[in-house]
Amino acid sequence: SYVLTQPPSVSVAPGQTARITCGGNNIGSKVVHWYQQKPGQAPVLVVYDNIDRPSGIPERFSGSNSGNTATLTISRVEAGDEADYYCQVWDSISDRGVFGTGTKVTVL
Amino acid sequence: EVHLVESGGGLVQPGGSLRLSCAASGFTFSDYSMSWLRQAPGKGLEWVATIEGDGSEKKFVDSVKGRFTISRDNAKKSLFLQMNSLRAEDTAVYFCARYVLTRTFHFDYWGQGTLVTVSS
Repeated sequence: SYVLTQPPSVSVAPGQTARITCGGNNIGSKVVHWYQQKPGQAPVLVVYDNIDRPSGIPERFSGSNSGNTATLTISRVEAGDEADYYCQVWDSISDRGVFGTGTKVTVL
Repeated sequence: EVHLVESGGGLVQPGGSLRLSCAASGFTFSDYSMSWLRQAPGKGLEWVATIEGDGSEKKFVDSVKGRFTISRDNAKKSLFLQMNSLRAEDTAVYFCARYVLTRTFHFDYWGQGTLVTVSS
C-alpha cells in the first residue's frame, strides 16, 4: 500500500515559518490534504486539494506538492498552531484513504 | 454549522461486540457519504470504513473486513459502526467524519470521538 512519511517533530519560534513535509513515491501526481489535531481534540481540515483552504482557516496556512514531497507551510507561527499535523491522500489502487505518520509542531 | 457527535464507546472484552453511533446535524445528511476513522493511543489516524449517502456502497479497511459493519439511518441523521470479534488492536478513539469529493476524497468535518478499549 501507499506510504506517506512525515518527520516526527518540527520546532519553530513564534513569528517564524514552519514547514512540514510529507514524502511519498511520486506524491506530486496525487492530491494531498492536511489536518491539524490539537491534544484531545478532533482533527481539523486545514488544507485540501494541495493548496486550498476551508473557510475559517487563516491564510498563514498554505500547501504545495511536487515530485516526491508535499509541504504544509505555516507562516508567522503562533502559539495556537502547536498541534499534530497529518497529510492524507486517496490511494486509488487500494481504494482507501492513507494518512501520513504525523508531525508534532512545537512552538518554542 | 456541521456537528457530529459520537457515542457508544466503552470497555469490552476480546471477542466482544460494540455498536458506535454518530448523530449528525447542520447539513443534509443523506447527501453525503460518511466515514469512521480511528486513532490508537499515541498513534496516527487510520481510515476504517465509508458508506455512501444512500447506503448502497460500503468500503472497509482490510483489518476489519468481516468483523465490522457500517450502516446509516438517514431519517434519524445517524451513522453506525457495529464492531464484532473485537481484538486488542482495535483499541482506539473512533471518529465519525463527513467524506467529501473535490479533486479527491477527504474528510471535511470530524466528531470529537469515542474511546473503545478492548481488554480483559
